[in-house]
Amino acid sequence: AQSVTQLDSQVPVFEEAPVELRCNYSSSVSVYLFWYVQYPNQGLQLLLKYLSGSTLVESINGFEAEFNKSQTSFHLRKPSVHISDTAEYFCAVSVGSGGGADGLTFGKGTHLIIQP
Amino acid sequence: DTEVTQTPKHLVMGMTNKKSLKCEQHMGHRAMYWYKQKAKKPPELMFVYSYEKLSINESVPSRFSPECPNSSLLNLHLHALQPEDSALYLCASSLSAANYGYTFGSGTRLTVV
Repeated sequence: AQSVTQLDSQVPVFEEAPVELRCNYSSSVSVYLFWYVQYPNQGLQLLLKYLSGSTLVESINGFEAEFNKSQTSFHLRKPSVHISDTAEYFCAVSVGSGGGADGLTFGKGTHLIIQP
Repeated sequence: DTEVTQTPKHLVMGMTNKKSLKCEQHMGHRAMYWYKQKAKKPPELMFVYSYEKLSINESVPSRFSPECPNSSLLNLHLHALQPEDSALYLCASSLSAANYGYTFGSGTRLTVV
């Protein structure tokens, strides 16, 4: 079975500072990795995903994540955060053996708090 | 249309009521999912439908009954719920069993009184 660990439940960062949200996964088979963002009282929005190919993936709003197979990590980074980035961020994994219909397994989430 | 639409957005129901949550997508996706999310917790998978057939039931109590009447619709029928079932219920879809482009709806916030 697969699992996802988000080591930080809460990360406070000053506006315009860089941030890294950590995600480690555990799986005995190949995995597909995702970062989702959830704003208060809303559903989940996909930030970015790694399926194959380049290990560095980018989103349209300045976030990026790097798949590191040897360290089983998929950390999310942004070089300069904005107040509007305040939200809950979830790392998720889907295993390859069962196809996408296995659904997603989520980490516990990291609350990113941007301080002015 | 690139959305998953969930109705209603909010629902308050008594423990003896019967209600249904509805999820709809018109993207041609053939896999649909129900997740339950408690406050300050990650979403937890409840059910998976693949090509209108139930493929995964994550040991969900029988008071939750899913239904997939066609490839665009997914329902969750609720009966005799408990207050601890109060949560955000999220629907998602993906193109097929081999495609990982999940799209989530904005959820139904359910309160059981």
